[in-house]
Amino acid sequence: GAGVSQSPSNKVTEKGKDVELRCDPISGHTALYWYRQSLGQGLEFLIYFQGNSAPDKSGLPSDRFSAERTGGSVSTLTIQRTQQEDSAVYLCASSSQGSVTDTQYFGPGTRLTVL
Amino acid sequence: RKEVEQDPGPFNVPEGATVAFNCTYSNSASQSFFWYRQDCRKEPKLLMSVYSSGNEDGRFTAQLNRASQYISLLIRDSKLSDSATYLCVVDDYKLSFGAGTTVTVRA
Repeated sequence: GAGVSQSPSNKVTEKGKDVELRCDPISGHTALYWYRQSLGQGLEFLIYFQGNSAPDKSGLPSDRFSAERTGGSVSTLTIQRTQQEDSAVYLCASSSQGSVTDTQYFGPGTRLTVL
Repeated sequence: RKEVEQDPGPFNVPEGATVAFNCTYSNSASQSFFWYRQDCRKEPKLLMSVYSSGNEDGRFTAQLNRASQYISLLIRDSKLSDSATYLCVVDDYKLSFGAGTTVTVRA
């Protein structure tokens, strides 16, 4: 597609449930990133995929968070046993090769609300 | 200390005014810097890269001061459409964002 797409755009769930968030990066982009933006806070790095390399998971806040990237394209971020503090906008970004000079293009985000 | 710190503002300025704000970063080895713009409830979008020698893009000027580890953004002849949150970003392959500076341009 023309840009990064994410689904769903909004997700409301109950505390303790699992959720899956999806990201479709720009076609041909090898690097994919997940960030989250909590109310009143800046964007926080979660995880980074680059090609076939092992992902950088250093930003994941707990072991309830995991992500996969299948076939080097679509990525799914899974949050297990959701907590209220997980409520945030989850943003996905992709760049052509993942170098520091490549522009990262963001998707519209998924707004997650945990009741 | 946060990796990237910004003055949150808000900066309320009249149309046509000049507004400038800074951001500081903690990693002296950082090489790549950007300004992103984020409108309310929208995703961040790249405004401009910041080069060592400073660079302009129309009414926007970005400066980098490596010795003091800060970058700046200056907006000249501000327009109503410039109202947004401006995010300072340091790219060490993963982006580190400042919390953003809110600018409101009033008629």
